[in-house]
Amino acid sequence: DVKVTQSSRYLVKRTGEKVFLECVQDMDHENMFWYRQDPGLGLRLIYFSYDVKMKEKGDIPEGYSVSREKKERFSLILESASTNQTSMYLCASSASTSIREQFFGPGTRLTVL
Amino acid sequence: EDKVVQSPLSLVVHEGDTVTLNCSYEVTNFRSLLWYKQEKKAPTFLFMLTSSGIEKKSGRLSSILDKKELFSILNITATQTGDSAVYLCAVEWGAQKLVFGQGTRLTINP
Repeated sequence: DVKVTQSSRYLVKRTGEKVFLECVQDMDHENMFWYRQDPGLGLRLIYFSYDVKMKEKGDIPEGYSVSREKKERFSLILESASTNQTSMYLCASSASTSIREQFFGPGTRLTVL
Repeated sequence: EDKVVQSPLSLVVHEGDTVTLNCSYEVTNFRSLLWYKQEKKAPTFLFMLTSSGIEKKSGRLSSILDKKELFSILNITATQTGDSAVYLCAVEWGAQKLVFGQGTRLTINP
């Protein structure tokens, strides 16, 4: 079974803090993704990565950065957290094959006070 | 702008009813349409559709894609309380990028 894990289920931070969200997958997938999920807006893509040290902006990259130093790990960084970044963050991974299903982690609910 | 619209946003039915969830899309470079079920946490994959008119089926769930009219439906027959979830539709465009709809919150009452 594919397993995608995220470092925290719940996180509370203060405005201005630097926040790291970690995602690890164990299926040797090439592609990894970070989404945020907000009521009424669905999932929106923040950043994605096709390979180690490679990253591309998604639909809403402002205020975020990412790091992919190893194939299995994809980190989302909030350089200076703001209250409008309070959200559920979901990580996903997929293989670069004809089976393009994305497997999701359990999510991190981040609250910025 | 690429967009995926699901309807209804919310649906409450009784156990045993049949439901149809809708997903319409306007996406350039369409590659596939995916359905996910999300209960309390991670979305779990249901179906991937790439060709028009070919029904995908898994137990009481089935889905079909119409690439001419740009929509898909997800049918659930003989619903059970365990079917209560948010159902997400996503369209893949370009290289593995997904655009998601808002989701349909389905509640099955006993």
